Amino acid sequence: TQLLEQSPQFLSIQEGENLTVYCNSSSVFSSLQWYRQEPGEGPVLLVTVVTGGEVKKLKRLTFQFGDARKDSSLHITAAQPGDTGLYLCAGRDDSWGKLQFGAGTQVVVTP
Amino acid sequence: KAGVTQTPRYLIKTRGQQVTLSCSPISGHRSVSWYQQTPGQGLQFLFEYFSETQRNKGNFPGRFSGRQFSNSRSEMNVSTLELGDSALYLCASRTGTGGLQETQYFGPGTRLLVL
Repeated sequence: TQLLEQSPQFLSIQEGENLTVYCNSSSVFSSLQWYRQEPGEGPVLLVTVVTGGEVKKLKRLTFQFGDARKDSSLHITAAQPGDTGLYLCAGRDDSWGKLQFGAGTQVVVTP
Repeated sequence: KAGVTQTPRYLIKTRGQQVTLSCSPISGHRSVSWYQQTPGQGLQFLFEYFSETQRNKGNFPGRFSGRQFSNSRSEMNVSTLELGDSALYLCASRTGTGGLQETQYFGPGTRLLVL
């Protein structure tokens, strides 16, 4: 079983600060996705990375997939209260395989 | 396009009962996956259906079952409910043919409380 470990579990920062969330595994994934989930809602896909070393940017969010496709990071620059939520990473070992999720990182950004 | 819908949104049952949850995927999506989300275990994969066939299965006991209809709507059934089955049950849909970059869309979930 491939396991995805996220760190930290909880992050509380002030508006304007930067933060990084990590997602690590001992196994290789064909693709890795990042989701954000807000209370009372299902997760919403932020990005999918498939190539080792790939970096994708979504406004103030930067996603990186490790060269060996075993780890990923999410960096938020100048966090805003609207970035508050549960950030989940999820890996898939092939196009048809099941999606496995990390435990999530709860991010709280206070004004 | 309407999103993924799940019914009911909230449910209270007692131990030993059974429950059926329903999921309507986005129009045109043939793949439906079910997940269980709890504070202790996080989001865990239950199973995935594609064109009425179970394509993947997670590590859950046989009390958890599902099916998919010809219109891609899916139901999940849990028999002989246990207290530990209390969770948010999420359904997600995708076309199922788009490869690794394909987007999976989640519904809002059904919150099940077992007393």
